[in-house]
Amino acid sequence: AQRVTQPEKLLSVFKGAPVELKCNYSYSGSPELFWYVQYSRQRLQLLLRHISRESIKGFTADLNKGETSFHLKKPFAQEEDSAMYYCALSRPRGSARQLTFGSGTQLTVLP
Amino acid sequence: ETGVTQSPTHLIKTRGQQVTLRCSSQSGHNTVSWYQQALGQGPQFIFQYYREEENGRGNFPPRFSGLQFPNYSSELNVNALELDDSALYLCASSTDGYYGYTFGSGTRLTVV
Repeated sequence: AQRVTQPEKLLSVFKGAPVELKCNYSYSGSPELFWYVQYSRQRLQLLLRHISRESIKGFTADLNKGETSFHLKKPFAQEEDSAMYYCALSRPRGSARQLTFGSGTQLTVLP
Repeated sequence: ETGVTQSPTHLIKTRGQQVTLRCSSQSGHNTVSWYQQALGQGPQFIFQYYREEENGRGNFPPRFSGLQFPNYSSELNVNALELDDSALYLCASSTDGYYGYTFGSGTRLTVV
């Protein structure tokens, strides 16, 4: 069974400090990993996906297959980064590609 | 380009009743998924439709059913509502899921 674990429900950092949101997964195979973000009073939106190896809004995430982790990182947090972050896993292309979400981490960036 | 729209935004139903939630997919998207998000939890996959056929289902009972129409809009139907069905129901559309899903704002269902 596939599972996504986000160990921290709440995370607070000061503006300008580095931030790391943890995500661990279990899946027998090679999944696709995503980070979704939900800002206050906005809908859930895709932040980044591991296949793209991209940096969005200064965030990056590296897939570590050995540790089955996909942690989200940003070197210098900004107040506008305050939001709920969800890590999600999907089966590889070609099959029903539903997302399995973690329970989320509420990030608060303090001034 | 329009996004994903869901209706209604809020709904209150009585236990045992039936409910239909609606979703209009983003233009060009042929895949739609429905998720249930309980308070304090991440979204949980209910089912997915691709070109009007169900092609994936999560761990939800048969009283949760759905439809996708030729214009790729979709419905989620829940029969015999239970108190635990109270949640935010999210619709998400995609071309094939590979590049991520576009989510709607959700329908908040309260069962009393």
